[in-house]
Amino acid sequence: EDQVTQSPEALRLQEGESSSLNCSYTVSGLRGLFWYRQDPGKGPEFLFTLYSAGEEKEKERLKATLTKKESFLHITAPKPEDSATYLCAVQVITGANSKLTFGKGITLSVRP
Amino acid sequence: NAGVMQNPRHLVRRRGQEARLRCSPMKGHSHVYWYRQLPEEGLKFMVYLQKENIIDESGMPKERFSAEFPKEGPSILRIQQVVRGDSAAYFCASSPPGRQGKGEQFFGPGTRLTVL
Repeated sequence: EDQVTQSPEALRLQEGESSSLNCSYTVSGLRGLFWYRQDPGKGPEFLFTLYSAGEEKEKERLKATLTKKESFLHITAPKPEDSATYLCAVQVITGANSKLTFGKGITLSVRP
Repeated sequence: NAGVMQNPRHLVRRRGQEARLRCSPMKGHSHVYWYRQLPEEGLKFMVYLQKENIIDESGMPKERFSAEFPKEGPSILRIQQVVRGDSAAYFCASSPPGRQGKGEQFFGPGTRLTVL
């Protein structure tokens, strides 16, 4: 069974204190790994897609990386507005099936 | 270009009633996915539809739940005879034709169902 585990469950940072969020996965065949941001009471907002080990993508203070077993979301010099829940999801290679399997998310709080 | 639209945003039902949740995908998108998010749980896949076709319903409960995506109009997730355990946030996502194999699903704001 495909599994996605995110750690830690919650992370509290001081503004400007860089850190990384981890997403480890066990899947039969990875088609893609996705990062989303979710604010309270809202739907997930797409951030990145990574397709192969070694791939990296950046957007403002966020950088996502991928290995064969895990992905990291690096946050450089975070600001309070980066506070949110960050979701990791995998899509596996199974014919026409395009479903995403999500981890439980990491709740990030950035203090000013 | 409007994003994925869901309505209602909040829905309250009593046990035994029916709940109908609607989803209008982004313009030009022909693939729709429904996910459920329970408190303290991650998003769980329910069903994947294309126009007039159910492609994968492996995440749908066997009873009381159904989904459709007609040729015209929004996708509908229908829950009959709701129970308290159905209380959750239900999210719809869409992807464009030809891109479904590459993920990039865009989510709506969700419908929060409360069963009294």
